[in-house]
Amino acid sequence: AQSVTQLDSHVSVSEGTPVLLRCNYSSSYSPSLFWYVQHPNKGLQLLLKYTSAATLVKGINGFEAEFKKSETSFHLTKPSAHMSDAAEYFCVVSDWGGYNKLIFGAGTRLAVHP
Amino acid sequence: NAGVTQTPKFRVLKTGQSMTLLCAQDMNHEYMYWYRQDPGMGLRLIHYSVGEGTTAKGEVPDGYNVSRLKKQNFLLGLESAAPSQTSVYFCASSPGTSGGADNEQFFGPGTRLTVL
Repeated sequence: AQSVTQLDSHVSVSEGTPVLLRCNYSSSYSPSLFWYVQHPNKGLQLLLKYTSAATLVKGINGFEAEFKKSETSFHLTKPSAHMSDAAEYFCVVSDWGGYNKLIFGAGTRLAVHP
Repeated sequence: NAGVTQTPKFRVLKTGQSMTLLCAQDMNHEYMYWYRQDPGMGLRLIHYSVGEGTTAKGEVPDGYNVSRLKKQNFLLGLESAAPSQTSVYFCASSPGTSGGADNEQFFGPGTRLTVL
């Protein structure tokens, strides 16, 4: 069965410093992996997705993630945090049971300080 | 193109009352999903539908029913609300036609439900 573990429930950074949100996955098959972002009182928006093409995936707003099979990781990074990046981030794996079902991690809340 | 919309945005119920949440999508997507979001637990799948007239149980289906009478609408019903159903509910849709597992899901803005 597929699962994802987000290693930090809260991350706090200063504006202009790098962001690292960590995610490990478990999957019996080659997984499809996603990062979604949820701003306060909003719905979820797709940041980026990995679907067995390039292992370094670039997303919106300067975010990127690297798929590392040997480490079963899919960490999200951004070189320089902006105040508008403050949100909750979800690492997600696609359930190969079919029908594009998604399995969500518990989420990481990112705080950005001036 | 409104994407995925949800009605209502907020609702307060008393224990034992019933209600229906409506999800509508205008992208002609085949697949639709209902999730609940609780603090520290991410999103959990309640029910889903892979086409008009079909429904299936997800991870946490107890206490909920769904219907997909029209392709663009997916209804979530609570027959007898309980405080444990206090949550934020999200609807999502996905094209579902490529046959692969990498189709993005598009989410609605959510419904905040409180059961007293």
